[in-house]
This record gives sequence, structure tokens and C-alpha cells, in this order.
Amino acid sequence: AQSVTQLGSHVSVSEGALVLLRCNYSSSVPPYLFWYVQYPNQGLQLLLKYTSAATLVKGINGFEAEFKKSETSFHLTKPSAHMSDAAEYFCAVSDWNSGGSNYKLTFGKGTLLTVNP
Amino acid sequence: DTAVSQTPKYLVTQMGNDKSIKCEQNLGHDTMYWYKQDSKKFLKIMFSYNNKELIINETVPNRFSPKSPDKAHLNLHINSLELGDSAVYFCASSQEVTTYFGPGTRLTVT
Repeated sequence: AQSVTQLGSHVSVSEGALVLLRCNYSSSVPPYLFWYVQYPNQGLQLLLKYTSAATLVKGINGFEAEFKKSETSFHLTKPSAHMSDAAEYFCAVSDWNSGGSNYKLTFGKGTLLTVNP
Repeated sequence: DTAVSQTPKYLVTQMGNDKSIKCEQNLGHDTMYWYKQDSKKFLKIMFSYNNKELIINETVPNRFSPKSPDKAHLNLHINSLELGDSAVYFCASSQEVTTYFGPGTRLTVT
């Protein structure tokens, strides 16, 4: 069974500071990895994904993540935080459901990012 | 154009009632899902359908019954609602690896 651990349920940074949100995964097969963002009272928006191509993945809104197989990590970073980045961030791992031709996402518990002026 | 849409956005009802949530996707995807987000924001898959066929049922109570009239629609009907059913329910669809989510339906059972 796959699992995702997000270290830190709450991360607080100052505007302009580096954002680092940590994600570690457990998977018996090469994983597909995702970061989603959820703004208050909204749905989940895909930030970026790793699908076994380049290990450094660039996403929307200036975010990027690096897949490190040796560390089983997929940490999300952004060089300079904006107030608009304040949201809940979810890391997820996907496995292929061979019985039914679809992918099932297993999520971490989320990290709430607050950005201080 | 909204890719994955759900109605209603908010649903407030009393214990014991039956309610439905509707979902439609215009992405042409073959696979649709229902996910539940609890009060602690934890997200978990409930059901998965591929081309109208049920693929995944993650030990969800029988009171929850998904129905897919065609591959663009996946509705969720809930019988005899309980307080613990209060949550945000997300519909989603995927083709290949990536899953796209709807805006969610916040269900409050009183």
C-alpha cells in the first residue's frame, strides 16, 4: 500500500521568503507524484506532477518540486512567497489500479501555508 | 468552461434524509471518482468508475450509492444521512495519470 507523509501540518513564512513544504512517500513501484493546492472554500488545483520524466518539475505560480528516489521525497519549493500563496497544500501519490484502468490518489494530510506581511 | 462541475455547492440537511450530488465533466475522460474530505481536511477516495463501470469501492457504507448514467456523469446518492457524513465531497475525472477535481460540495448534516 502506498502512503504519503507531509512533515509539518502548518508552515508560516514571511512574504518574500523561501517556501519549503516537505513530502515523503512510500511506494512499491515507481510512483507518480503530485502537489495540489486548495484555497479556502475551493476545490483542488493541480500545481505540478512527476511522471518519471525530469526529476525537477516546474509547476504553476512559480512552484517547483524535486523527485529524489534515494530519499523517497518530493518536496515543494518556491523561492519567494507571495501573500496569494496562502492555502492548504496536498502531496499525493498515484498508483495504477490494474484491475480497472484507472489511477487512485493517496493523499498526505496537507500542510497549511500562511504568509506573513 | 468548467471542466468538472458539481451541484449543489452547499447542502444542508437533517439526519435521516436522502440527498444526491451531481457531477459532470466535459473533458472527455473515461474515469470519474468521488473523494471525501473530512473536517480535518483529509482526502480519501470513495469510488472510481471507468466508462460507467464501478472499479473502486473503498469500503464505503451501503448508504452511499454512486450512479454513472454515461461516462461524463457520476452522481452520488446518500441514504439515511448521519452526522458523520458531514464533509466536503469532491468529484474528479482522469485520463492517463492526472486527476482533475471539481469545486466540491459541502454537506452539513444537522
